Amino acid sequence: SQQGEEDPQALSIQEGENATMNCSYKTSINNLQWYRQNSGRGLVHLILIRSNEREKHSGRLRVTLDTSKKSSSLLITASRAADTASYFCATDEVGSEKLVFGKGMKLTVNP
Amino acid sequence: EPEVTQTPSHQVTQMGQEVILRCVPISNHLYFYWYRQILGQKVEFLVSFYNNEISEKSEIFDDQFSVERPDGSNFTLKIRSTKLEDSAMYFCASSGGQGGRSPLHFGNGTRLTVT
Repeated sequence: SQQGEEDPQALSIQEGENATMNCSYKTSINNLQWYRQNSGRGLVHLILIRSNEREKHSGRLRVTLDTSKKSSSLLITASRAADTASYFCATDEVGSEKLVFGKGMKLTVNP
Repeated sequence: EPEVTQTPSHQVTQMGQEVILRCVPISNHLYFYWYRQILGQKVEFLVSFYNNEISEKSEIFDDQFSVERPDGSNFTLKIRSTKLEDSAMYFCASSGGQGGRSPLHFGNGTRLTVT
């Protein structure tokens, strides 16, 4: 089964810097979503991008999708300490309704 | 804002015992899911549920697992005979549209510890 893989697996930056996380997947998809998870909590949906979209913005978040390379990136601009969390990409295969999550990436924003 | 609630937050059980994890999805949602996460690692799909039946399940979701929506509000996951390797965080989620096409709303999870 296909799987999203985030890269890098861990990232540590200073407050105010931008953070870029990448996700690669293996099969054709309908949609790709990004979630964040604070330690010990549930996942929170950030943004959804459809397979026919190339870029999407939401506040300080910018997501790109390149279906030819089977990859997506999540950019968080002007990061804050409160952005410290794990970030996951998730994809749904064509023909399936389940959302498959990647292994996640831990972002640490130092004040 | 409506939220998904899960109880209990932490469940400790002995190997071989049955456990029931409970979830109250967002009231107007139609699609329900269970995921699990071992030690803060990968979030693994277990099962999806729609129109009072399982719509998709993973290899993990074997005969030891079952799901039920006993009334209009609760959604439960039962593990009949727990094993040590069932220790994990179990997350319930719901969505207003079919999985993948709509955001999933997650509860804060039940930490299951099997001793």
